[in-house]
Amino acid sequence: SAVISQKPSRDICQRGTSLTIQCQVDSQVTMMFWYRQQPGQSLTLIATANQGSEATYESGFVIDKFPISRPNLTFSTLTVSNMSPEDSSIYLCSVSDGRRGQETQYFGPGTRLLVL
Amino acid sequence: AQSVSQHNHHVILSEAASLELGCNYSYGGTVNLFWYVQYPGQHLQLLLKYFSGDPLVKGIKGFEAEFIKSKFSFNLRKPSVQWSDTAEYFCAVNPLDGNKLVFGAGTILRVKS
Repeated sequence: SAVISQKPSRDICQRGTSLTIQCQVDSQVTMMFWYRQQPGQSLTLIATANQGSEATYESGFVIDKFPISRPNLTFSTLTVSNMSPEDSSIYLCSVSDGRRGQETQYFGPGTRLLVL
Repeated sequence: AQSVSQHNHHVILSEAASLELGCNYSYGGTVNLFWYVQYPGQHLQLLLKYFSGDPLVKGIKGFEAEFIKSKFSFNLRKPSVQWSDTAEYFCAVNPLDGNKLVFGAGTILRVKS
């Protein structure tokens, strides 16, 4: 499976600021995903990022709040904009591997964000 | 809306006890099914997966899961747990009309040595 790294691993930010999280994969992948895991809760998909096209956002998530870039097949960024304490979460990227109909997602180590 | 239910949020077992973690999903079409595990301080790892064929699938570290289509269930089992199995376990479903995972709430397993 692909090796996925994320930067930063953790950060403490002030409300109203923005943070950009980077996700790097050691092989070329078509589909990358961004998830949020709020304290004590499960993972929720934010958006799907395919190279060469706009990210597709899930219900409840908007591009203005979570802009995503996908400049190539090994890299993506997620920005958490105009942060509030409610944005304190772990943010994870994942990649999809396998043939159509048998895709498996593998996850990065996550970025732990605390907003004060 | 599609959902995944994990019946127990916290489970405490003694070493050598048998484990079964329940997972049910609400989706009528064809699905792929997964169990992921997150050990303390580590990132989410794939434990096992089911796409098709034999409904009993075996994963890493002695875990297995059984897909029962009529019950919309994919329960995780291990005959004898070890202290090192202490972790949080997530069931996830991928409805095949969209390549996206829907996760259950997770079950925190603590194994007492």
